[in-house]
Amino acid sequence: DTAVSQTPKYLVTQMGNDKSIKCEQNLGHDTMYWYKQDSKKFLKIMFSYNNKELIINETVPNRFSPKSPDKAHLNLHINSLELGDSAVYFCASSQLGTPQETQYFGPGTRLLVL
Amino acid sequence: QQQVKQSPQSLIVQKGGISIINCAYENTAFDYFPWYQQFPGKGPALLIAIRPDVSEKKEGRFTISFNKSAKQFSLHIMDSQPGDSATYFCAAKFTGNQFYFGTGTSLTVIP
Repeated sequence: DTAVSQTPKYLVTQMGNDKSIKCEQNLGHDTMYWYKQDSKKFLKIMFSYNNKELIINETVPNRFSPKSPDKAHLNLHINSLELGDSAVYFCASSQLGTPQETQYFGPGTRLLVL
Repeated sequence: QQQVKQSPQSLIVQKGGISIINCAYENTAFDYFPWYQQFPGKGPALLIAIRPDVSEKKEGRFTISFNKSAKQFSLHIMDSQPGDSATYFCAAKFTGNQFYFGTGTSLTVIP
């Protein structure tokens, strides 16, 4: 069973379009994240939700809007896509208060904006 | 600013050699230091982690050395194998749930 899953795995789209990426975790964790990984492999935190509440909102264009319908899901909607949005987007989850408190990452969504 | 500084950016090691990746941090409130391993086309996965109350943690061929006074920690991979070729990220976290990642080290182990 996949712990953190994302759909789609690949997304190729035109500039100006709106797209969504979905994330689900079956680990029972209370915190979920979105990261952007650029071509140099740098991992940048975008958002974090704890029990459906937004708790981290880094400097990200407001074209990016996260939505957490429940604790197990965190979706990312991107409006008016730009060339610079091309990257790999990773969803992750963690559970605070556990001995490890580590994050479990999904397989990533490779977004290419043409 | 970069909360966790990682070096080197890339590393080439012969099979059987020791790979060493270093990280430094400033914020003394950090209380959890994981290392992640990422293979091409995959998400990062936890490799090994340490808390600042110990100076070393070993799991198989992987060891974290932690120097609290110098605010540095490093990953040592003993007997490096071609299958260890991946990108490695250090990270740090304090109470709360934001993880701060290093910039990554691309490790290549030559057969």
